[in-house]
Amino acid sequence: NAGVTQTPKFQVLKTGQSMTLQCAQDMNHEYMSWYRQDPGMGLRLIHYSVGAGITDQGEVPNGYNVSRSTTEDFPLRLLSAAPSQTSVYFCASSLWDRNTEAFFGQGTRLTVV
Amino acid sequence: EDQVTQSPEALRLQEGESSSLNCSYTVSGLRGLFWYRQDPGKGPEFLFTLYSAGEEKEKERLKATLTKKESFLHITAPIPEDSATYLCAVLDYGGSQGNLIFGKGTKLSVKP
Repeated sequence: NAGVTQTPKFQVLKTGQSMTLQCAQDMNHEYMSWYRQDPGMGLRLIHYSVGAGITDQGEVPNGYNVSRSTTEDFPLRLLSAAPSQTSVYFCASSLWDRNTEAFFGQGTRLTVV
Repeated sequence: EDQVTQSPEALRLQEGESSSLNCSYTVSGLRGLFWYRQDPGKGPEFLFTLYSAGEEKEKERLKATLTKKESFLHITAPIPEDSATYLCAVLDYGGSQGNLIFGKGTKLSVKP
């Protein structure tokens, strides 16, 4: 079982560049989300989606964009990378009834120079 | 504002030395409290969900308990393989729109 797959695992960007972090799940989960994890801070929610065609902002959405055209995929776009976006990014998915467990991907470590 | 506070930030134990990790929370209406384990360079891995005060869950050397204000993760006779960061998260009915709110984690190190 693949679960939640994130690509790439590592990425270095220059300030101002754009890129897309990919996330795919094969569990037919309605709910998907993106978090960033920084040293000394908990996981913080960037954007989330409750189903195909529906997305909403989390706690720290600025500088990021998402779309959900299929149930399986939930890409995260960095529009113009900034050093403050250096972080580890995690994608997660769960059933629509969100008081069930969330499954996380292995993460993407992004460095913006 | 919804908050989740974990303590201690770091805990060093000798193999076999039992202890507890704490997660205190402030939410408008708890739908669930989750414990995750995170190994370096990996994503969080689900351990337990607790839904109501008084509930307990066990898995191997780990036991999670829940009160109206906090949860404890008890580790009995830990081994070095239990070394990881343990994350607590809550899901509430109120202002967070049903999304998980994470604490900063407790980094556990178990020495042989």
